[in-house]
Amino acid sequence: GQNIDQPTEMTATEGAIVQINCTYQTSGFNGLFWYQQHAGEAPTFLSYNVLDGLEEKGRFSSFLSRSKGYSYLLLKELQMKASASYLCAVRDKLDSGGYQKVTFGTGTKLQVIP
Amino acid sequence: GAVVSQHPSWVICKSGTSVKIECRSLDFQATTMFWYRQFPKQSLMLMATSNEGSKATYEQGVEKDKFLINHASLTLSTLTVTSAHPEDSSFYICSARGTSGRGELFFGEGSRLTVL
Repeated sequence: GQNIDQPTEMTATEGAIVQINCTYQTSGFNGLFWYQQHAGEAPTFLSYNVLDGLEEKGRFSSFLSRSKGYSYLLLKELQMKASASYLCAVRDKLDSGGYQKVTFGTGTKLQVIP
Repeated sequence: GAVVSQHPSWVICKSGTSVKIECRSLDFQATTMFWYRQFPKQSLMLMATSNEGSKATYEQGVEKDKFLINHASLTLSTLTVTSAHPEDSSFYICSARGTSGRGELFFGEGSRLTVL
């Protein structure tokens, strides 16, 4: 199974940089995802890491360390519309039945203030 | 990307009735779809994996007779909440894996169910 931890809430200032951490303990690992979810809406995909290191994608960057069971999402040049929940999700390895489960963390609610 | 559409967005029903939620992949074929449930201020909880042409795989604690899943075609999966009760009120979201090598999930818009 998977156990995923993220901070519950964070506040950051418009234009600043914020780092949202995620730690996980897994029985198997085959990738980590970050999703953004605005209130009342479905999540949207932000980033994917399967190898150690930093993946950069415009204002978003995501880092993974598999040995430490640790990832972070870095949001730069924060805009007010970045206020949302950010979900860390870990994918299991394929089992013998071809089943591959994705488990979500509880999400970090980010509030961007002027 | 991949577009997943879910219907209805909102549904209010009386206790004891059944509600069907549809999930469609619009521009790709999805042999596997996933149904999640999300209670307020909580994360997404996987309910079941829907497999085209075969039985769904339910997560522990999810009643398969209460949450009926049918995946009759490569573009449509349905979730029927049978004999709904107020405690079934929740946000139900379906998803399918994209066709890129990453396998990221693309989500439908979600269906907010309120059982009176």
